[in-house]
Amino acid sequence: GQQLNQSPQSMFIQEGEDVSMNCTSSSIFNTWLWYKQEPGEGPVLLIALYKAGELTSNGRLTAQFGITRKDSFLNISASIPSDVGIYFCAGQYELITGKLIFGQGTTLQVKP
Amino acid sequence: DTGVSQNPRHKITKRGQNVTFRCDPISEHNRLYWYRQTLGQGPEFLTYFQNEAQLEKSRLLSDRFSAERPKGSFSTLEIQRTEQGDSAMYLCASSQDTGTVGYTFGSGTRLTVV
Repeated sequence: GQQLNQSPQSMFIQEGEDVSMNCTSSSIFNTWLWYKQEPGEGPVLLIALYKAGELTSNGRLTAQFGITRKDSFLNISASIPSDVGIYFCAGQYELITGKLIFGQGTTLQVKP
Repeated sequence: DTGVSQNPRHKITKRGQNVTFRCDPISEHNRLYWYRQTLGQGPEFLTYFQNEAQLEKSRLLSDRFSAERPKGSFSTLEIQRTEQGDSAMYLCASSQDTGTVGYTFGSGTRLTVV
């Protein structure tokens, strides 16, 4: 079935460092989204991307929708301890249903 | 409105027992989704409703699973004859029509089958 490959699987960084993670797919998506999940909670939407080549920022977060529509990346600048969590990419290829396909997640740990 | 509400937050059950989870979506959202998340993985789509109509079911939703959304408001997900492989976080989400910007997840129900 449809799968998204997300990398890296985990990251352990120093506070203040920049972080980059990406997601690739064998299929084209119409929408890419990035979510953050903290322990015991549901995913929270960070950024939504709707057009190929689109670059969108949300505070210290920047995400891009790949030109081929098969990939996306998320950058976090100047990381802080509260950035800790699991980051998921998600693709939507069925506009009618709104159904999402999620990547396996990138676990981020930030050392103060 | 405090968002998508799911109950219970945690459920431990013995193998073979039936369990039912409830989801209360954001009141003005007419779409409701169920996802399952196992440890170390991203959420996987199970099914979704447009108002009271169940419009799509994943092949992950075996015949032991049934979901309902009477009157297009809250939804229930029932698992009959639970198996250890059913242990997972069950997430509910809601949105308005086809827009994913308003795709709001609840905190989930953690099911452990012993």
